[in-house]
Amino acid sequence: GAVVSQHPSWVICKSGTSVKIECRSLDFQATTMFWYRQFPKQSLMLMATSNEGSKATYEQGVEKDKFLINHASLTLSTLTVTSAHPEDSSFYICSAIGLAGGGEQFFGPGTRLTVL
Amino acid sequence: AQSVSQHNHHVILSEAASLELGCNYSYGGTVNLFWYVQYPGQHLQLLLKYFSGDPLVKGIKGFEAEFIKSKFSFNLRKPSVQWSDTAEYFCAVGFTGGGNKLTFGTGTQLKVEL
Repeated sequence: GAVVSQHPSWVICKSGTSVKIECRSLDFQATTMFWYRQFPKQSLMLMATSNEGSKATYEQGVEKDKFLINHASLTLSTLTVTSAHPEDSSFYICSAIGLAGGGEQFFGPGTRLTVL
Repeated sequence: AQSVSQHNHHVILSEAASLELGCNYSYGGTVNLFWYVQYPGQHLQLLLKYFSGDPLVKGIKGFEAEFIKSKFSFNLRKPSVQWSDTAEYFCAVGFTGGGNKLTFGTGTQLKVEL
């Protein structure tokens, strides 16, 4: 099946620094990738939709200048959390849809971000 | 705004018991419906999906779900659960014009006891 990887799987950083999280589709090309945030014991909240070669579309309430998304190729999207603060600590999950579409999203394993 | 609700947050069952997890959504238009499962320490995996056609869909590992349009529901069922079904289950809905975006329910944590 389609595999999506994320790197790193966990990261700890100091407040005020920036952190980059990578999302890769390993065995398929993805025109669209999604970034979610999951709080403990809560559901996934969609942050943004990332389309290859174009600007990301952010959900209401998500600061685009804080959560920078780049989808430079059909297999890679990156999320950069800029000037991170402790409230940004969370579990970030990406997903991807293949060129064949079909609506099914394939999910990465997630990245645990802890901001001290 | 569209929303998805899962009624049961925590469910504990004994092995061989039957399972039904509720999922309702609020939207009057066409929807695509999904159930995802997240086993401990693993990523989300698709159990089953409904786009159109037969409202009773069968998925992997013996799971099935029924789309009842009049009730805006897509409940997940399994006749006999196993200990290995212990996981968190998420209902997700894609709404018309949403561009493949999904809205997730809050999830149901299922624990199956031996």
